[in-house]
Amino acid sequence: SQKIEQNSEALNIQEGKTATLTCNYTNYSPAYLQWYRQDPGRGPVFLLLIRENEKEKRKERLKVTFDTTLKQSLFHITASQPADSATYLCALGYSSASKIIFGSGTRLSIRP
Amino acid sequence: EPEVTQTPSHQVTQMGQEVILRCVPISNHLYFYWYRQILGQKVEFLVSFYNNEISEKSEIFDDQFSVERPDGSNFTLKIRSTKLEDSAMYFCASSEGTARRSYQETQYFGPGTRLLVL
Repeated sequence: SQKIEQNSEALNIQEGKTATLTCNYTNYSPAYLQWYRQDPGRGPVFLLLIRENEKEKRKERLKVTFDTTLKQSLFHITASQPADSATYLCALGYSSASKIIFGSGTRLSIRP
Repeated sequence: EPEVTQTPSHQVTQMGQEVILRCVPISNHLYFYWYRQILGQKVEFLVSFYNNEISEKSEIFDDQFSVERPDGSNFTLKIRSTKLEDSAMYFCASSEGTARRSYQETQYFGPGTRLLVL
């Protein structure tokens, strides 16, 4: 079965720096990959989607890359702010299925 | 901005009781989903629903679970006889559907219902 690993359980960085989160998967390459933000006790909030034929996507301070050779996606938040503190979830989707498969998430803390 | 809504936000029930969790998906969306997240664990897929029938379900979604779209706006998840291990946060999600592709990838999640089975 597909296994998804997100780099570390927790990441602490200084405000203003770039946060880089990693999502690695095994086995089958997904047709698309999504990043969500989840705050404690809340539902996942969609941030970005990148497809298998795309290398990079940007939205404001967010950037996602997708390398199907390395089986890896990187998620960057530039000029990080304390309000960016949350858990970030990587989710994989396949064209043959409607479900998405979530990683366990990385808890990001931005200290002032 | 349109959003998925869920009721109730919290539900406490006794083991063996039936519960119904309710969701109102985004109005022009055609695909509906239920996921759950046990405290401290991953978000797990339960079921997807399209055109008034289940399109996909996971191993978790056994005979104790059922889904229904009773009218044009609501989407419900019923657990017939709750077990202690059903305690979790339950999320409803929805996505658009088009003629070209039966579902759109981006799924929008509701705020969740926290279910506690005692």
